[in-house]
Amino acid sequence: AQSVTQLDSQVPVFEEAPVELRCNYSSSVSVYLFWYVQYPNQGLQLLLKYLSGSTLVESINGFEAEFNKSQTSFHLRKPSVHISDTAEYFCAVRYGGSQGNLIFGKGTKLSVKP
Amino acid sequence: KAGVTQTPRYLIKTRGQQVTLSCSPISGHRSVSWYQQTPGQGLQFLFEYFSETQRNKGNFPGRFSGRQFSNSRSEMNVSTLELGDSALYLCASSAWTGTANEKLFFGSGTQLSVL
Repeated sequence: AQSVTQLDSQVPVFEEAPVELRCNYSSSVSVYLFWYVQYPNQGLQLLLKYLSGSTLVESINGFEAEFNKSQTSFHLRKPSVHISDTAEYFCAVRYGGSQGNLIFGKGTKLSVKP
Repeated sequence: KAGVTQTPRYLIKTRGQQVTLSCSPISGHRSVSWYQQTPGQGLQFLFEYFSETQRNKGNFPGRFSGRQFSNSRSEMNVSTLELGDSALYLCASSAWTGTANEKLFFGSGTQLSVL
């Protein structure tokens, strides 16, 4: 069955520390990969996406994710986090090309402490 | 542009009742999708509509149904409510044009409580 696994439900880190939020999916056949973020009291918004081309994609606020086909992973990383990065992060995968369902992981709550 | 608007924001129902949720997409967006968000299961895909046609459907029972109107507004209906239907229901719209190069814009959701 098609699935998306976010291995950590909560990740606490200190400000300016690096962070990695893990995401694995179940099949490499024609996938499109996304990270969405939900800040406190706000709606979900797209952070970054991988459709094709370079396997490393970046967001405007310093996050990056790398598509690893052999490991079926799309981990999200940031070298130095800020308090303002505190949010819930959702990995999402569209299987089967542009016609497929968009499947979300259960989310990882990132808590950045001073 | 106005964002995705969902009404109502909060809803309290009792078991066995039915409920209808509404979603107005961003102007010009023809694709609308619905998700159920719960603390234990995260975001689960319900269905997606494009130009009044259901394009995809998730693994939910037939009690969950939806439709899309010619102005792209969408409604979701849940009949014979169960306690487990308590959740935040999110609607998202996109300017999907046949490729995966879409960005979903989410509404604030309707919080449904079933007593």
